[in-house]
Amino acid sequence: DAGVTQSPTHLIKTRGQHVTLRCSPISGHKSVSWYQQVLGQGPQFIFQYYEKEERGRGNFPDRFSARQFPNYSSELNVNALLLGDSALYLCASSSLAGTDTQYFGPGTRLTVL
Amino acid sequence: SQQGEEDPQALSIQEGENATMNCSYKTSINNLQWYRQNSGRGLVHLILIRSNEREKHSGRLRVTLDTSKKSSSLLITASRAADTASYFCATDAKGAQKLVFGQGTRLTINP
Repeated sequence: DAGVTQSPTHLIKTRGQHVTLRCSPISGHKSVSWYQQVLGQGPQFIFQYYEKEERGRGNFPDRFSARQFPNYSSELNVNALLLGDSALYLCASSSLAGTDTQYFGPGTRLTVL
Repeated sequence: SQQGEEDPQALSIQEGENATMNCSYKTSINNLQWYRQNSGRGLVHLILIRSNEREKHSGRLRVTLDTSKKSSSLLITASRAADTASYFCATDAKGAQKLVFGQGTRLTINP
């Protein structure tokens, strides 16, 4: 079975631009969570979606938004990019909402110049 | 903010030795999880221990949880070069629908 997939693998943007990151969960998983991991730190929770509804939101500005589609895939959008948004963006899926075992994708490395 | 704090931040040992990493947290939890990350790639789930459990084993991994001290430890026995990675603990504060990760322990296994 395929694991969690994310696209693109790497992305370079300039300040002020916007970016869309994509995630496909493990087949049968209905929950998708997004995390930001800055170099040298642990992942920081951004959003959780379950059955297309937002179930949790971390301490991130409104420039960050996400949505989940009927097939449970998800997009993370970041507007007005700042240098500090440079990070590894991780998507994780799980079968239930909440904080049970998370299965992570390989991540999207975003560099903002 | 990071609830979990791993200790030490970095650990270097010889292959075959045991590695112990510790995690402390601040609030009551439902469960605590340990993840491994190789070189900035995705995280791999290692083990989940619930608040009513004290010890759990999985292969060469042993996790303990002391809720009175709000701490957990991860023991990797008979370490191998392939165990070289960063290890993170993650907790779910009761009432919060999110996992909170620590800053991780960077483990290096020397051949």
